[in-house]
Formats: sequence, structure tokens, C-alpha cells
Amino acid sequence: ETGVTQSPTHLIKTRGQQVTLRCSSQSGHNTVSWYQQALGQGPQFIFQYYREEENGRGNFPPRFSGLQFPNYSSELNVNALELDDSALYLCASSLDRAGYNEQFFGPGTRLTVL
Amino acid sequence: AQSVTQPDIHITVSEGASLELRCNYSYGATPYLFWYVQSPGQGLQLLLKYFSGDTLVQGIKGFEAEFKRSQSSFNLRKPSVHWSDAAEYFCVFNTGTASKLTFGTGTRLQVTL
Repeated sequence: ETGVTQSPTHLIKTRGQQVTLRCSSQSGHNTVSWYQQALGQGPQFIFQYYREEENGRGNFPPRFSGLQFPNYSSELNVNALELDDSALYLCASSLDRAGYNEQFFGPGTRLTVL
Repeated sequence: AQSVTQPDIHITVSEGASLELRCNYSYGATPYLFWYVQSPGQGLQLLLKYFSGDTLVQGIKGFEAEFKRSQSSFNLRKPSVHWSDAAEYFCVFNTGTASKLTFGTGTRLQVTL
């Protein structure tokens, strides 16, 4: 059974650019959540996708957007990058959207904005 | 407001000593509570979870946690710490009606030999 994978591992961008991060969910999981973890902080919920529809969003501006594909993999897109967007971006998949289901996390994508 | 608090930013214990990491939550009902561990270069891993029922829950790697409604707490314990337990530990909260996990700020555990 393949776990949650994310790509790329590391990424360096400059302010104003756009970035796309990718996540492959664990086999059999139809729900993907994205989190932002700034240095020294706990992860912050960005949004969740369930069966290709957004199912909840945290306190992030609209320039953070996402997609979920029919195979339940997902993308996180960030437009107009700001310095404060530098963080570890974590993707997690779960069996479905119920709150009691364990979320399985990928290793993350480290984004640096210069 | 719904929140979870980890009062200790950094804890150091000797290998073989017992460990207790504190977690308090603020919510009007019984939440779903989790403890996750994050090791350098590793993803977040679930140690244990509590939804209802027995208030003492057992997890992986010899960890346990006790839910105390009267104190709004969910402290993590281990009777004998191993050097490999050095990591960041997060207490995590979910209302059960929403999908998002709310993480505490984390407690960094250092283990001395």
C-alpha cells in the first residue's frame, strides 16, 4: 500500500510568482486536506477536498486554491506569492470526510519565497 | 472559540524517565482529540485518538493519553522514554462536525542519554 506522496520536495520562488504543489492520496482514500506549517508552528488548515468538491476552508485568502482529480489526487495553487508564504505544505488523505477518520500525512513540500 | 493549548514549548527528559505532555482544549462539547508526532525528516504520524468511551486510550510506541472532561485536558504519557522519542508532539482537535484538524503549537521533546 503506497502512502501519501507529495511533489516537489523543495521549491524556491520569488515574490509575485505562482506555485503548484501536488499530492497523491493513499489508495482507497477520497478526501484530501492541505495544511501550512510555518517554522516553529503547528500546521494550519487551508482547505479540504472530498470527491472533487471543496469541503471546508480555513482562514486563507482566495489566492490559495485547489483541485481534486477523479483519482483523488490533489493540487494546491498559490498565486501572487508573498514572503510569508514560506512554509512546509502538508497534504493529508483520509478514508472519507468524517472527523473521526485518521488523516495520513505526506512528507510535505518546503516552499521558500525570496 | 474552539482551541487547543499546549503549555510547554520544550521539555527535556532523561532516557528511561517518565513523560507527560500537557494539552488543554476549549470546546462546548466532547471533541475528537488526537496526538500526532513529527520527527525530523518524517511526516506527521498519529500516536492515538479519543472520540468517546474509555477515557484512557492506548497508542503506538507505548504512549497513552487520558481524557479528563472536568479539566478539559488530554495529556500524553509514556512510562519510560527512549532516545528515539525525541520529536515534536502535537495535540490536535476536531469538533466532529467539521473536517479540519486544529493543531496545538507543539511541544518539542529532547531526550538526554
